[in-house]
Amino acid sequence: DTAVSQTPKYLVTQMGNDKSIKCEQNLGHDTMYWYKQDSKKFLKIMFSYNNKELIINETVPNRFSPKSPDKAHLNLHINSLELGDSAVYFCASSPSDRGGYGYTFGSGTRLTVV
Amino acid sequence: KNQVEQSPQSLIILEGKNCTLQCNYTVSPFSNLRWYKQDTGRGPVSLTIMTFSENTKSNGRYTATLDADTKQSSLHITASQLSDSASYICVCITGGGNKLTFGTGTQLKVEL
Repeated sequence: DTAVSQTPKYLVTQMGNDKSIKCEQNLGHDTMYWYKQDSKKFLKIMFSYNNKELIINETVPNRFSPKSPDKAHLNLHINSLELGDSAVYFCASSPSDRGGYGYTFGSGTRLTVV
Repeated sequence: KNQVEQSPQSLIILEGKNCTLQCNYTVSPFSNLRWYKQDTGRGPVSLTIMTFSENTKSNGRYTATLDADTKQSSLHITASQLSDSASYICVCITGGGNKLTFGTGTQLKVEL
């Protein structure tokens, strides 16, 4: 059973397109996250939701819009894709929004914008 | 500005050898520090968590140390195996608990 699952695993698309990445967790966690990992392997938080409520929204272009229909799902929609959006996007979850608890990451979605 | 720096950037060792990875951080307020292992094409997986009061913690062949005074942590891997080849990421959690600062990782390769 995959604890945090993301789809698709790979996504290749042209500049200007709109795409979505889906994430689901079956751990019963309250908090979910989206992270971006660039070519230098640096992980940076983008968004965090706790019980469907947005709690962290880092400096991310408003072309990126997260949506959490319920606490087990956190999807990421990206409008007007740009070359610089190419990266690996990781979804993660934790029992709460307090860092003392463990984070479980998905396997990532490699987005390539051409 | 919260920062986490790791060294070396990359490391190649022979199977069976030991190695030590370093992490220096300037994070305030500090809550705890975690080491993650990230296999190629996978998400990070937690290895250890160190709180402010802990100096050493082991998880199998992995031993993490923390010096809160010098703001340094290390991850020691003993008797390395080919499966240890991965990126090792040091992560600091700030006092509020909901903000993580990631290091850029050390890419470890274990060879025969």
